[in-house]
Amino acid sequence: DAGITQSPRYKITETGRQVTLMCHQTWSHSYMFWYRQDLGHGLRLIYYSAAADITDKGEVPDGYVVSRSKTENFPLTLESATRSQTSVYFCASSETSYNSPLHFGNGTRLTVT
Amino acid sequence: AQRVTQPEKLLSVFKGAPVELKCNYSYSGSPELFWYVQYSRQRLQLLLRHISRESIKGFTADLNKGETSFHLKKPFAQEEDSAMYYCAPPRQNFVFGPGTRLSVLP
Repeated sequence: DAGITQSPRYKITETGRQVTLMCHQTWSHSYMFWYRQDLGHGLRLIYYSAAADITDKGEVPDGYVVSRSKTENFPLTLESATRSQTSVYFCASSETSYNSPLHFGNGTRLTVT
Repeated sequence: AQRVTQPEKLLSVFKGAPVELKCNYSYSGSPELFWYVQYSRQRLQLLLRHISRESIKGFTADLNKGETSFHLKKPFAQEEDSAMYYCAPPRQNFVFGPGTRLSVLP
């Protein structure tokens, strides 16, 4: 869906560098999510947010930081990138209601060298 | 813990054969369940949701509360169905399972 965009699409960075992945949605959805996708592991939840200024850890939050100062944006920061963080990162959003589906972005392919 | 499980990581079928992708859930109440599909190098997209009882691209899924299952079925698989399929997690924890990779062979 065009309503949720991630940037950049591809990123190569070096070990130890800080990198921020951006996610923007135009629907004013309350919930936003960050997942990483790795072969053999499927999708793993990193962080999620139920509303602006409210964030919660997911399955694999270590090494990541998020913020949600505005409803539409949910950036993900790798404070000091490691090779194990090489992955494809997907952002998603959904409405507040219990029965609403997730809408995913196109993903960011991150390589840490 | 409330979760969904997909017991098969990889499922291979021949074109024209029936396919069933299994999903079991372990949480109570009346779950709102979805299936998502991810074609090669694309984003995940909603395939279907049980509440709408739709058939999308020939796929259907029936919620079986007795067996706590929400299996995805298609009577005749096509090569373009080859993709990753995810049964969506309960809204309580948003944790997906590893998914099932469907490979439809010619």
